[in-house]
Amino acid sequence: EAGVAQSPRYKIIEKRQSVAFWCNPISGHATLYWYQQILGQGPKLLIQFQNNGVVDDSQLPKDRFSAERLKGVDSTLKIQPAKLEDSAVYLCASSLGAGGGQPQHFGDGTRLSIL
Amino acid sequence: DAKTTQPPSMDCAEGRAANLPCNHSTISGNEYVYWYRQIHSQGPQYIIHGLKNNETNEMASLIITEDRKSSTLILPHATLRDTAVYYCIVRNTDKLIFGTGTRLQVFP
Repeated sequence: EAGVAQSPRYKIIEKRQSVAFWCNPISGHATLYWYQQILGQGPKLLIQFQNNGVVDDSQLPKDRFSAERLKGVDSTLKIQPAKLEDSAVYLCASSLGAGGGQPQHFGDGTRLSIL
Repeated sequence: DAKTTQPPSMDCAEGRAANLPCNHSTISGNEYVYWYRQIHSQGPQYIIHGLKNNETNEMASLIITEDRKSSTLILPHATLRDTAVYYCIVRNTDKLIFGTGTRLQVFP
C-alpha cells in the first residue's frame, strides 16, 4: 500500500514570498490533516479535512495560510506571504475516517526554510 | 497541551527489549492511547494504539494498566533502526496532540 506522498521535500524561499505544498493521501482515506513541526517540537495540527470539507482549522493562521482539498483527494497548503517564523516541516497525514480509533498515517513532510 | 508524561531520553542495548513508559493520569474512558515514533528527517510513524486491552502487532506491544493511568510500549528486540523519538498520545478526538516524547537511543 502506497503511503502519504508529499512534495516538494525541501523548499527555500525569502520572507514575504509565497509557497505551496502538495499532499496525496493514502487511497481511500477520507480524512486529511496538515501539521506544522517546528524544530525540536512535536507536530501541531493546522487543519483537518473530512472529504473536501474543513472540520477543524482553529489553529490555522488564516491571514497567511490557506488550504484546500477540492475533489476530496489531493490537498494543497499555501503560505502567502511567508514569515521567518514559518520555517518548519509541514506534514500531511491521512486516515480512513474520523474518530479516535482510526490511526493517522504521515508523509515525510516538506522542510521549509525562510531566508 | 499534551496529556501525557514521558521520560526525555532512554538507552537500550541492541537485541534487548526496550520498555518505554508513559503516564496519562487524567485519561478519560473514551480516550485511546497511541504511540508514534519519528526517525530523523521522516514523518511520524504509527506504531500501535489501544483503549483498554493490551495490544500487540508486528512492531510492538502496548501494555495498559488496569486503571488506564499509565502504559508501556515494548519493542521486544530493539535494533539500531529503532533509534527515534517515541511519542505517547492520548486521543479522544481526531486531533493528535504531540508532546516532546522520549528519545530512545539503541546502542550496539
